[in-house]
Amino acid sequence: DTGVSQNPRHKITKRGQNVTFRCDPISEHNRLYWYRQTLGQGPEFLTYFQNEAQLEKSRLLSDRFSAERPKGSFSTLEIQRTEQGDSAMYLCASSLYASGGAETQYFGPGTRLLVL
Amino acid sequence: AQSVTQLGSHVSVSEGALVLLRCNYSSSVPPYLFWYVQYPNQGLQLLLKYTSAATLVKGINGFEAEFKKSETSFHLTKPSAHMSDAAEYFCAVSRPGGSYIPTFGRGTSLIVHP
Repeated sequence: DTGVSQNPRHKITKRGQNVTFRCDPISEHNRLYWYRQTLGQGPEFLTYFQNEAQLEKSRLLSDRFSAERPKGSFSTLEIQRTEQGDSAMYLCASSLYASGGAETQYFGPGTRLLVL
Repeated sequence: AQSVTQLGSHVSVSEGALVLLRCNYSSSVPPYLFWYVQYPNQGLQLLLKYTSAATLVKGINGFEAEFKKSETSFHLTKPSAHMSDAAEYFCAVSRPGGSYIPTFGRGTSLIVHP
C-alpha cells in the first residue's frame, strides 16, 4: 500500500489551456473523491466515484470541469479553457466503502494549479 | 443540510501547553464528525472520527475530541503541544448513509511557540 498518489504535483498553465490531473487511489479502495482547496479554505467537494460509476457530479464547478474513472482504478480530472480563478490545490481521496460503515478517506498530496 | 464552523482561524500556544481547537457543527441528522491535519504542501491526514459510539474519541499523536450533542460541538484537544503539531487542522461533518460527502470547515492554523 503506497497511499494515494497524484500527478503532476504542480502545474502552471496559461489561461485558456486545458489541463488534466491524475489520481491513483489505494488499490483496494472502491470510492474516489475529488476536492478543490483554495487558500485559507477547507476542501470543497467536487465529485466522486464508486468503482467506475460517477455518483455525484452536480457540484463540479462548471461544465468546464469533468472527471472520469474508466476502469474503476485511477481517475482523471480535466479542466477545459482554464481561468485564473481555477488556480487552487486539487485533492484526491479514496476510501473503502461498505454499507453501514463510516468510511475513512485517505488523501493524496494534491496537485497545485496556477493559471497565468 | 450540514455545516461546520471552526472558531479562530489561528491558534497560538507555547510548547507544552494545552491545545484546544474549536468546532461546532450543524446537521439535520446525527452526524459523523472528523478532524484532519494538513502539513504544508501535503494532503489531509485523519486524526480521529466520531461515528456515534463513544463520545470521547482518541486519535493519533495524542489528540482527542469529545462529541457534545447539547452544544453541537466537537472540539479537539491535546494536553501538551509539541513543535511538530504546528499545522492546519480541519473539522468535517458528514451524514451516515450511502452518499458520504463531508463538509469541511475553513480550518484553524495551529502555531506552536518554543
